[in-house]
Amino acid sequence: QSVLTQPPSVSGAPGQRVTISCTGSSSNIGASYAVHWYQHLPGTAPKLLIYGNNNRPSGVPDRFSGSKSGTSASLAITGLQPEDEADYYCQSYDSSLSGSVFGGGTKLTVL
Amino acid sequence: EVQLVESGGGLVKPGGSLRLSCAASGFTFSSYFLSWVRQAPGKGLEWVSSISTSGSYIYYADSLKGRFTISRENAKNSLYLQMNSLRAEDTAVYYCARELRYDWNDVETVFGYWGQGTPVIVSS
Repeated sequence: QSVLTQPPSVSGAPGQRVTISCTGSSSNIGASYAVHWYQHLPGTAPKLLIYGNNNRPSGVPDRFSGSKSGTSASLAITGLQPEDEADYYCQSYDSSLSGSVFGGGTKLTVL
Repeated sequence: EVQLVESGGGLVKPGGSLRLSCAASGFTFSSYFLSWVRQAPGKGLEWVSSISTSGSYIYYADSLKGRFTISRENAKNSLYLQMNSLRAEDTAVYYCARELRYDWNDVETVFGYWGQGTPVIVSS
């Protein structure tokens, strides 16, 4: 059971928009700690997609965006492309655990 | 280009020990907060441990209960994870990760760069 809750899977057709939710609590997202998002293809190094709730590192397309409200955060992907098919994880800091916590991951399927 | 290359993984019996290494290049190693993150088979990512730039501040996930020790050698651009009393549930791919921000020394970290990982299998 992960501290941050994500849907196990989402799907969408090429060109569509999908969102992935990340729900936390008052000791992590709700305590104003930032949320970060990673893309992970099995067998490869995870890649930082969004940091500080809604900032993109250089090189990440603006099709990816993040938002946060209350105890939840979301990752939105517009203009879905086949190469977006991967696992996506949210991450934050938890003051009760005194360390980083991840969501359980969401598998994105591009139909 | 930032590069992180893990090594030292392998097959070990329950109760055994293993030392993982992470060789870094492409950045000023001594100026970055570093971490280990693992992924068990079929599971999600799990933060393991982090260490400050000088090595003075160290943080561990509660679940490790003192079995793991993180360290770094700035002169060799290397990060280590000593794992003792290994259990089947420690079976995972272990990733080395670098903080995104320069000279950041808080456990509220952003994992900006990752290595490819090294597999650890604990089995008799």
